[in-house]
Amino acid sequence: DTGVSQNPRHKITKRGQNVTFRCDPISEHNRLYWYRQTLGQGPEFLTYFQNEAQLEKSRLLSDRFSAERPKGSFSTLEIQRTEQGDSAMYLCASSLLMGQGAPGEKNYGYTFGSGTRLTVV
Amino acid sequence: AQKVTQAQTEISVVEKEDVTLDCVYETRDTTYYLFWYKQPPSGELVFLIRRNSFDEQNEISGRYSWNFQKSTSSFNFTITASQVVDSAVYFCALSDISGGSNYKLTFGKGTLLTVNP
Repeated sequence: DTGVSQNPRHKITKRGQNVTFRCDPISEHNRLYWYRQTLGQGPEFLTYFQNEAQLEKSRLLSDRFSAERPKGSFSTLEIQRTEQGDSAMYLCASSLLMGQGAPGEKNYGYTFGSGTRLTVV
Repeated sequence: AQKVTQAQTEISVVEKEDVTLDCVYETRDTTYYLFWYKQPPSGELVFLIRRNSFDEQNEISGRYSWNFQKSTSSFNFTITASQVVDSAVYFCALSDISGGSNYKLTFGKGTLLTVNP
């Protein structure tokens, strides 16, 4: 198990183009989250999946954003018609239901990926 | 609404000094989790600790210790005998765990810790 994997690590795109990011969570984790982090700020919640169901979306997630998690495994986050304000680090995290696991175990908290850094020029 | 405040934007210390990172939170929930994460320059958020709202015992893990005080809504993090490798941004976060919650995290803005040799 290699943890949470995100691809690509970096993406530079021209304004107006569409981009798609992928997140592969820890295989036994049924919960998956997307966060966005801008420079000098903490991560902000975007959306949440339990298995394949998208159960919550933040107001930060405009109509240009869409996320999927087919079959409850990997997830994709697509941004259409990118704008310069979309430039940020997009982080994916996975977890079991909180309360499971014990301190020191890998599944005790959320596990984050290394993120995809998007630059819109 | 939940809120996490990390008043210290940047802290700079010399190696071997002790340093405390402050975290104050706001929530109307009676049950919640508190977290600390470390974010090195590589960008990945590294889990350090999770604390339940009903467990106010302080915790020590090696050079790291955490002081949770519900009365003041604070969850401070102390690094003893700091090392250069401790240099990173540290985030405090809060998660509601009441019924129906999605357990999403609310983060503070982070504290950039620089440990100089």
